[in-house]
Amino acid sequence: SAVISQKPSRDICQRGTSLTIQCQVDSQVTMMFWYRQQPGQSLTLIATANQGSEATYESGFVIDKFPISRPNLTFSTLTVSNMSPEDSSIYLCSVYPLHSYNEQFFGPGTRLTVL
Amino acid sequence: DQQVKQNSPSLSVQEGRISILNCDYTNSMFDYFLWYKKYPAEGPTFLISISSIKDKNEDGRFTVFLNKSAKHLSLHIVPSQPGDSAVYFCAARGVMKTSYDKVIFGPGTSLSVIP
Repeated sequence: SAVISQKPSRDICQRGTSLTIQCQVDSQVTMMFWYRQQPGQSLTLIATANQGSEATYESGFVIDKFPISRPNLTFSTLTVSNMSPEDSSIYLCSVYPLHSYNEQFFGPGTRLTVL
Repeated sequence: DQQVKQNSPSLSVQEGRISILNCDYTNSMFDYFLWYKKYPAEGPTFLISISSIKDKNEDGRFTVFLNKSAKHLSLHIVPSQPGDSAVYFCAARGVMKTSYDKVIFGPGTSLSVIP
């Protein structure tokens, strides 16, 4: 298994500003994922972050809007840039434990409200 | 186009009775299916999974049934307990190669178990 923490747990931000969300895992993992859950919606994959390479973004998500860093095997950040109210969502970090691709483990999420 | 569908946004069940949560998928390339449970202010937690080579998998009070020909799976919770009240996400994944294959989540069903 993997224990994941995220900071901040929630934030209220002004339009046009940026917020960086941190994800810390208690063990080394190869793949880390960033998801978004908009109000009343399902989980949507934003990007996959592998250590040592650029993040891979899903359709509809771009690096300029959601830059990601993955400096080591236990940590990643997601920045939500130039925020608008449409970015109000829960942002979730997720991982597969090392050598296991059965189920993903999720962090507690960061609840972002953009005014 | 929603590849994983959960047509019931919500479900209410009396404590002690059976809860049946349904999920349909459209992509015949999916071969691994998962159920996640999510409480408010927490990240999703893995509940149970099933491979496409099986039609049933059981873990305690939780059983998942898979009907490949109908592209349908269901999660049975027996007996239901108030602590089972949560949002349940159905998820599906394609064939695992040397790296992961993307997991697609359904929109979720909110289960309320009434004492």
